[in-house]
Amino acid sequence: NAGVTQTPKFQVLKTGQSMTLQCAQDMNHEYMSWYRQDPGMGLRLIHYSVGAGITDQGEVPNGYNVSRSTTEDFPLRLLSAAPSQTSVYFCASRNFGTPSMGNEKLFFGSGTQLSVL
Amino acid sequence: LAKTTQPISMDSYEGQEVNITCSHNNIATNDYITWYQQFPSQGPRFIIQGYKTKVTNEVASLFIPADRKSSTLSLPRVSLSDTAVYYCLVGPYGNNRLAFGKGNQVVVIP
Repeated sequence: NAGVTQTPKFQVLKTGQSMTLQCAQDMNHEYMSWYRQDPGMGLRLIHYSVGAGITDQGEVPNGYNVSRSTTEDFPLRLLSAAPSQTSVYFCASRNFGTPSMGNEKLFFGSGTQLSVL
Repeated sequence: LAKTTQPISMDSYEGQEVNITCSHNNIATNDYITWYQQFPSQGPRFIIQGYKTKVTNEVASLFIPADRKSSTLSLPRVSLSDTAVYYCLVGPYGNNRLAFGKGNQVVVIP
């Protein structure tokens, strides 16, 4: 299994450009999410999905759009990139266990480093 | 959701046991404590999870006192490759909005 695959690994955009960060997982996980990581800020949740056709906002959703048409894919769209969106973006997925299993384990991709000039 | 507090950074010498603490004073009855490890230029990786007392796996041990208001991740005999950021998370089963704080940067020194 490849796990969680993110593409591209690096991207440079100009202000106002749009692009899509891709995320795919081959573990048949129902839950997928996007985080951004900025220096000294930890990881902040952007959007998440609990299954195909179901998405919801996280802590910092403004400027980002998501959709979930399949179980495997969860793309993150930047409609009009801004310098404030310069960050490292991580996609994560997990399955839904049972209450006795506690917090379900998140599996992360290797990240996309995005620079907006 | 329970908030966690961790030291910002710590250094340790190679070969020593490292104990990383996390405070979670308002932990709820149905919350679990989970630790993740993040190496530079990589996504976080699950290390260990527990509810109470002690949990041990091939990587680390997790100590949770009876009041569950804190926890300690113990890494035995660290090597340089254990240099990473360690995150402590607290939340219940089915938490769709898992929050990562700033974590604890651990630097292992030769």
